[in-house]
Amino acid sequence: RKEVEQDPGPFNVPEGATVAFNCTYSNSASQSFFWYRQDCRKEPKLLMSVYSSGNEDGRFTAQLNRASQYISLLIRDSKLSDSATYLCVVNSASGGSYIPTFGRGTSLIVHP
Amino acid sequence: DAGVIQSPRHEVTEMGQEVTLRCKPISGHDYLFWYRQTMMQGLELLVYFNNKAVMDDSGMPKDRFSAKMPNASFSTLKIQPSEPRDSAVYFCASSLAGGSSYEQYFGPGTRLTVT
Repeated sequence: RKEVEQDPGPFNVPEGATVAFNCTYSNSASQSFFWYRQDCRKEPKLLMSVYSSGNEDGRFTAQLNRASQYISLLIRDSKLSDSATYLCVVNSASGGSYIPTFGRGTSLIVHP
Repeated sequence: DAGVIQSPRHEVTEMGQEVTLRCKPISGHDYLFWYRQTMMQGLELLVYFNNKAVMDDSGMPKDRFSAKMPNASFSTLKIQPSEPRDSAVYFCASSLAGGSSYEQYFGPGTRLTVT
């Protein structure tokens, strides 16, 4: 079983729709969590951190459920420009430092 | 800030040749990561450094790959000899460590093709 798992999709939604992605992780000692966005043939870029209490940034809401070991990303009022692959990242403690593990990504396609 | 800089952006080489990928992290960042991304495997962590020291290289095939960070502003990832299965996009990323979290900033990547 992979340490970090995501539904690869693609999620195909119309403009204006609300869409949610989940990401599960297996290491219960994981410390910090992020969502990255990756456009085709580009590098991943940080979208938002995920805090224990949940956090919101405009149309984007991130949630963490430590008991069930998953994080989620909710996108409201989808735009065409939201089409991309969304990667979750889990940082786990290791020998005084941290090791990041990326999920395989979830593909989102927003159509007119 | 210029962001993370990688060179070359594209590399095409023949099997058996040596390949050297280069990375300049964001100034002041003390962590540097090398990743490989393929359609099959996604984004895989190969090796990472903290203050120029290797922290973990368990994801790196050590028979042919080597990574160095001779100073705080430069790192290399070398493949010798290269094989077709090494064809991938190689990303370098850097971050500042702060408590239990660090946000990584990625370079544009090097697209490697080994024929």
